[in-house]
Amino acid sequence: AAGVIQSPRHLIKEKRETATLKCYPIPRHDTVYWYQQGPGQDPQFLISFYEKMQSDKGSIPDRFSAQQFSDYHSELNMSSLELGDSALYFCASGQGKRSGELFFGEGSRLTVL
Amino acid sequence: AQKVTQAQTEISVVEKEDVTLDCVYETRDTTYYLFWYKQPPSGELVFLIRRNSFDEQNEISGRYSWNFQKSTSSFNFTITASQVVDSAVYFCALSEARGAGKSTFGDGTTLTVKP
Repeated sequence: AAGVIQSPRHLIKEKRETATLKCYPIPRHDTVYWYQQGPGQDPQFLISFYEKMQSDKGSIPDRFSAQQFSDYHSELNMSSLELGDSALYFCASGQGKRSGELFFGEGSRLTVL
Repeated sequence: AQKVTQAQTEISVVEKEDVTLDCVYETRDTTYYLFWYKQPPSGELVFLIRRNSFDEQNEISGRYSWNFQKSTSSFNFTITASQVVDSAVYFCALSEARGAGKSTFGDGTTLTVKP
């Protein structure tokens, strides 16, 4: 069965650079969630989208922005990268606004040097 | 607000021992979902189980079993006859149906199974 696809899987950037992560949800899933997991931490919710509209917002820095496109894929844009942004970024998709059942991708590992 | 507590930060067992990972949650919602995920050293989150708040039936899947007790707001996870490949970080998570469906994770329990 198709799963959530995240790209790139690994990304290395310098401080103050910009990075974009992409997420392709499971077919027919209309909700996307982004999570950030720092080293030794649990995943922290950043932002979510339902039917291309932002549905919830968590601890997402102002330097980050995200959107969901007409084909339901989502992109997380991170600007003015800081060392502390080094983390695993997970995308999860679900069906319906409040399904509560999330399917996670394998994550994108961002390293900021 | 929802909260998940995994009191055990690290557990170390010897292969073939049984081990139980504790999870206690807080929520004001009557409809919610509980999850367990495994995160091996490679980093991906592996879904293990999802349980909704109306289904208190315990579940067994091979060497894995889950004990859901609403009365104590607990959703504990037991691995029977542990194996070295079970070594990972295990996360318990909660999502409320009333919200936008996002999950809140516990801090995770690092399980080390020694040969």
